[in-house]
Amino acid sequence: GQNIDQPTEMTATEGAIVQINCTYQTSGFNGLFWYQQHAGEAPTFLSYNVLDGLEEKGRFSSFLSRSKGYSYLLLKELQMKDSASYLCASNSWGKLQFGAGTQVVVTP
Amino acid sequence: GAVVSQHPSRVICKSGTSVKIECRSLDFQATTMFWYRQFPKQSLMLMATSNEGSKATYEQGVEKDKFLINHASLTLSTLTVTSAHPEDSSFYICSASIESSYNEQFFGPGTRLTVL
Repeated sequence: GQNIDQPTEMTATEGAIVQINCTYQTSGFNGLFWYQQHAGEAPTFLSYNVLDGLEEKGRFSSFLSRSKGYSYLLLKELQMKDSASYLCASNSWGKLQFGAGTQVVVTP
Repeated sequence: GAVVSQHPSRVICKSGTSVKIECRSLDFQATTMFWYRQFPKQSLMLMATSNEGSKATYEQGVEKDKFLINHASLTLSTLTVTSAHPEDSSFYICSASIESSYNEQFFGPGTRLTVL
């Protein structure tokens, strides 16, 4: 069956780095998305990985290992506005399978 | 570009009534639209996938007679929650995708449904 796991919550201080891990077991895999979602709002696109390796985009980077079914999202130089839920989603047969989300709390 | 709107943003209705939610792609034609439901502190659960001019494909466990989806054009899909009950209260989010190598989905702002 399809399964996507990520931690429930992570706390870090402003200016620090946080790494959110995601493991997945899905069929028909065609890439891994990361989204940011603030409470009561729709998800916003952060990154997409389909090949193994690291994709860097400003303060956010995302990594994928297809053989291990593993991805991570790295948030650097954390800001208070980064407090949100981060969703890992597998593109499986043209549909997105979402993880439960990781709530990141940034403290002063 | 790639803006998706939803209307209404919030709706409160009485139990037993029907509610229609509209999803529009404003500046592009979407080959496919998706409807998700999200309960508090939970992830997005895909309800159905719809393509313009054809019947929607529902995920397992989603009642197609209760959640009616009409995809009238390449820019508009509607979800009607029929005979709504309090357990249908949720955050409903649509997305639209453009056919591409990875079929990126663009999400609408969501509709908060509260059934009394």
